[in-house]
Amino acid sequence: RKEVEQDPGPFNVPEGATVAFNCTYSNSASQSFFWYRQDCRKEPKLLMSVYSSGNEDGRFTAQLNRASQYISLLIRDSKLSDSATYLCVVSYNAGNMLTFGGGTRLMVKP
Amino acid sequence: DAGVIQSPRHEVTEMGQEVTLRCKPISGHDYLFWYRQTMMRGLELLIYFNNNVPIDDSGMPEDRFSAKMPNASFSTLKIQPSEPRDSAVYFCATRARGRDSPLHFGNGTRLTVT
Repeated sequence: RKEVEQDPGPFNVPEGATVAFNCTYSNSASQSFFWYRQDCRKEPKLLMSVYSSGNEDGRFTAQLNRASQYISLLIRDSKLSDSATYLCVVSYNAGNMLTFGGGTRLMVKP
Repeated sequence: DAGVIQSPRHEVTEMGQEVTLRCKPISGHDYLFWYRQTMMRGLELLIYFNNNVPIDDSGMPEDRFSAKMPNASFSTLKIQPSEPRDSAVYFCATRARGRDSPLHFGNGTRLTVT
């Protein structure tokens, strides 16, 4: 079993739709969680950190469920520019061991 | 801040040649990571440094790969001799001290070994 698992997709959604991704992790000692966005042929860029109480940044909401060991990302009112691959990242050992999921590809259509 | 700077952006070389990838971290970031990304295997950690010292190189594929960080502002990843299966995008990423500090990636080096 992979340490961090994501549904690879692709998720094909129309503009304006709400879409959610989940990411499960196996290491219960995981301490920090992040969502990154990667555009085709570009580097991953931090989208948002994920806090225990959940957090929101505009149209994006991240949640953490430690009991079930998963994090989620919700995107409301999808834009064409949201089309990308979304990577979840889980870290432990004071942030030195970071494990990336395989990514979920999102395609927003007009 | 200019961010993490990698060079070259693209490298095409023949099998057997030596390849050197370069990285300049964000000033003040104590940690530097080298990753490799392929379609088949996703992002793989090769090695990371803390304060210029290699901490974990268990992800380095084999002896053909080596990495150095001679000072806080420069790191190299060397492949000698290169093989076609080394073709991938190589990312350097750095982060500040602190458990919740995120990684910041460079633009990557796209390596093609023919």
